[in-house]
Amino acid sequence: EAQVTQNPRYLITVTGKKLTVTCSQNMNHEYMSWYRQDPGLGLRQIYYSMNVEVTDKGDVPEGYKVSRKEKRNFPLILESPSPNQTSLYFCASSFGGGWQETQYFGPGTRLLVL
Amino acid sequence: AQSVTQPDIHITVSEGASLELRCNYSYGATPYLFWYVQSPGQGLQLLLKYFSGDTLVQGIKGFEAEFKRSQSSFNLRKPSVHWSDAADYFCAVRAEIQGAQKLVFGQGTRLTINP
Repeated sequence: EAQVTQNPRYLITVTGKKLTVTCSQNMNHEYMSWYRQDPGLGLRQIYYSMNVEVTDKGDVPEGYKVSRKEKRNFPLILESPSPNQTSLYFCASSFGGGWQETQYFGPGTRLLVL
Repeated sequence: AQSVTQPDIHITVSEGASLELRCNYSYGATPYLFWYVQSPGQGLQLLLKYFSGDTLVQGIKGFEAEFKRSQSSFNLRKPSVHWSDAADYFCAVRAEIQGAQKLVFGQGTRLTINP
């Protein structure tokens, strides 16, 4: 089944404790992206990757890191989480970053930073 | 700046009634528009998209949307809603921002269905 998977789905952590949220897709997509969703703000892009070893900042990259060492995986790293990073996070992928490409979304990871 | 506005934060309709969710965009060039649905605890699923051609677009689950350039709108409609349509709906526009192509989302509209 074609899908985007994220782990963990739920995470509670404390300020400053490094964490990684994994994202994996099995559709051989080149383009992958991370979003955060906050009430009243819709989805905002954190980082995206056009291909392996190619990543770039989205609209709200502060406090996050990403890597793209393999085509299928695009982990999101919070080196020192803070409470304002409490949010719902979505990973997405598509064949390319072009205009007509449809992005496929993972189920989301709900993060609470205490 | 490129933006998407969904004026209605929350809409409640009765099962079987018609539905229209509003979406207005601000973008200078030809917009590429999307509607996504997010069911509780789920990720986003694409309902439909508009790139060019016929301004009335058919999507999955009986939804359709009409692109109106003069009004900068891309409203989502369904003639008769089902209880399973209760979800959050997001309008989005594909925009080029600082040389990169981004998907800009509206704030979302929560749809509640009365039995």
